[in-house]
Amino acid sequence: NAGVTQTPKFQVLKTGQSMTLQCAQDMNHEYMSWYRQDPGMGLRLIHYSVGAGITDQGEVPNGYNVSRSTTEDFPLRLLSAAPSQTSVYFCASSYGTGGTGELFFGEGSRLTVL
Amino acid sequence: GENVEQHPSTLSVQEGDSAVIKCTYSDSASNYFPWYKQELGKRPQLIIDIRSNVGEKKDQRIAVTLNKTAKHFSLHITETQPEDSAVYFCAAGGSNYKLTFGKGTLLTVNP
Repeated sequence: NAGVTQTPKFQVLKTGQSMTLQCAQDMNHEYMSWYRQDPGMGLRLIHYSVGAGITDQGEVPNGYNVSRSTTEDFPLRLLSAAPSQTSVYFCASSYGTGGTGELFFGEGSRLTVL
Repeated sequence: GENVEQHPSTLSVQEGDSAVIKCTYSDSASNYFPWYKQELGKRPQLIIDIRSNVGEKKDQRIAVTLNKTAKHFSLHITETQPEDSAVYFCAAGGSNYKLTFGKGTLLTVNP
């Protein structure tokens, strides 16, 4: 099993550009989520999904879109990048409901917005 | 929503000493409390978790205690080793599909 795979690992954007962070898992987990990690702020939930076709907002959803067309994939879209979105992004999946089971994280995607 | 406070933000110990990290949470409905370890440049990984029907759980040199009445839980690492140096995150979750993390503790174990 590859686990949770994120691409790209590094990305530099200019303000106003859009991009998609890809996330795929091969563990047949229903629950998938996106977190951002900023220095001194811990991990903050952006969006999550409890199954194909179902998504919901987390703590910091503004400026991000998600969709879940398959169990395996959960892409995160930045609509119009801003410097405040410079961060490390982690995708995570879980066999539980997300709030009550182990999260399996991807390796992270470091995004810089100039 | 849930709010998780974690202390201290940094902790430096000598090899062989014990380390304790404490967290408090606000939502009495939370019933799942994991701890994640993140080494520099790596992904967070679960090291131990506890559910609300248990007061203490041990796994070799690591233990977690939970006080539901006071809404706090702690991570205890005994006989620390240099490879324990990392950032540790506590988290709280429940049936609302969300896991809320503390801001992390940078643990440094000095040889």
